[in-house]
Amino acid sequence: GEDVEQSLFLSVREGDSSVINCTYTDSSSTYLYWYKQEPGAGLQLLTYIFSNMDMKQDQRLTVLLNKKDKHLSLRIADTQTGDSAIYFCAETIFSGGYNKLIFGAGTRLAVHP
Amino acid sequence: EADIYQTPRYLVIGTGKKITLECSQTMGHDKMYWYQQDPGMELHLIHYSYGVNSTEKGDLSSESTVSRIRTEHFPLTLESARPSHTSQYLCASRGRTGELFFGEGSRLTVL
Repeated sequence: GEDVEQSLFLSVREGDSSVINCTYTDSSSTYLYWYKQEPGAGLQLLTYIFSNMDMKQDQRLTVLLNKKDKHLSLRIADTQTGDSAIYFCAETIFSGGYNKLIFGAGTRLAVHP
Repeated sequence: EADIYQTPRYLVIGTGKKITLECSQTMGHDKMYWYQQDPGMELHLIHYSYGVNSTEKGDLSSESTVSRIRTEHFPLTLESARPSHTSQYLCASRGRTGELFFGEGSRLTVL
């Protein structure tokens, strides 16, 4: 089936690391993505990882992929108040003759002082 | 930075009115999408297009319609708006490695 699951809420203290987790079901996924959505705005692509990679780092962001467990995580180092947003995990699957992007329900990250 | 634009950003309109939400992108992408999202909730695909004159319905049934006469435009139309159509509508286009670039969204309120 097509399903991407995330925990709904995460609260962290400013300066700590945040880890947002995601599980997906389609083992044939080629790319996996993390998007950020601030209130009232569209989704902003944060980073993506190709399925043959285990880790990708981009400044404060680290993406870890465990293909065996179909588990994807996003770590934000030194979390700031500006990181407060909803984070969506998404996988690309091939279904019905075309590629489609399946989104999780989003994890709401709250950063407190 | 992605070049995809949606207008209007906010629209408050009465029941029964016809509305069109505009979406345009300057990246030359063939694939474009419309998602519906209630505040803070998950995204639901309602329409997509693989190129000019190609439109398909998405996973979530919607009373809206779309057209794709030009590559850069993918407008969404509601012939007769109802309160149940109140939501945020997000337009996106697909990049080379499969990522979606989103517009800022159109928040529709139907009274």
